[in-house]
Amino acid sequence: EPEVTQTPSHQVTQMGQEVILRCVPISNHLYFYWYRQILGQKVEFLVSFYNNEISEKSEIFDDQFSVERPDGSNFTLKIRSTKLEDSAMYFCASRGLDEQFFGPGTRLTVL
Amino acid sequence: SQQGEEDPQALSIQEGENATMNCSYKTSINNLQWYRQNSGRGLVHLILIRSNEREKHSGRLRVTLDTSKKSSSLLITASRAADTASYFCATVLSFISNFGNEKLTFGTGTRLTIIP
Repeated sequence: EPEVTQTPSHQVTQMGQEVILRCVPISNHLYFYWYRQILGQKVEFLVSFYNNEISEKSEIFDDQFSVERPDGSNFTLKIRSTKLEDSAMYFCASRGLDEQFFGPGTRLTVL
Repeated sequence: SQQGEEDPQALSIQEGENATMNCSYKTSINNLQWYRQNSGRGLVHLILIRSNEREKHSGRLRVTLDTSKKSSSLLITASRAADTASYFCATVLSFISNFGNEKLTFGTGTRLTIIP
């Protein structure tokens, strides 16, 4: 069964460093999303992406964040200068028709 | 006010019993989806119910939707130890308000523990 994959599973970085989180959505899906979940809190929407452009972004998704679909398979989230409060689990999701399917997540730890 | 809130926040039952979790939301929706999350892991899609549906079944899962009360329930029958997880409802707002984006708004979750 097709699934969303994410790498790495865990990323540790120093405050101020850039990180790139990678996702491979389900191959025939057209809509892509990033969400995050701070430990013990609810899952929050970050950004949606369709037809090679951002369709919506949340207040969390400020100028430090960017997304890209560099080729036909990968979907990346970049954080330019990480802050302590960026520590969270980051989930990629993709959608074909209605259901959104999530990847296993990348746990980002900012020290 | 939050779009999705589940209750109870935590539920412990004996294996074999049925577990019911509820979700309430505030604004009109296009659909509502339930997810399971094992501790520290990813979100597993369980079931989707559309705004024009009242009930759906999938294996041991039964989901109901009452749009007049803006609420949904997830019933897991004949629970097993492996059902221990957190369960989240997530709503997609009606197309009028989301321009077809269909981002998910998650609730706070119910932590379900099945006691063997």
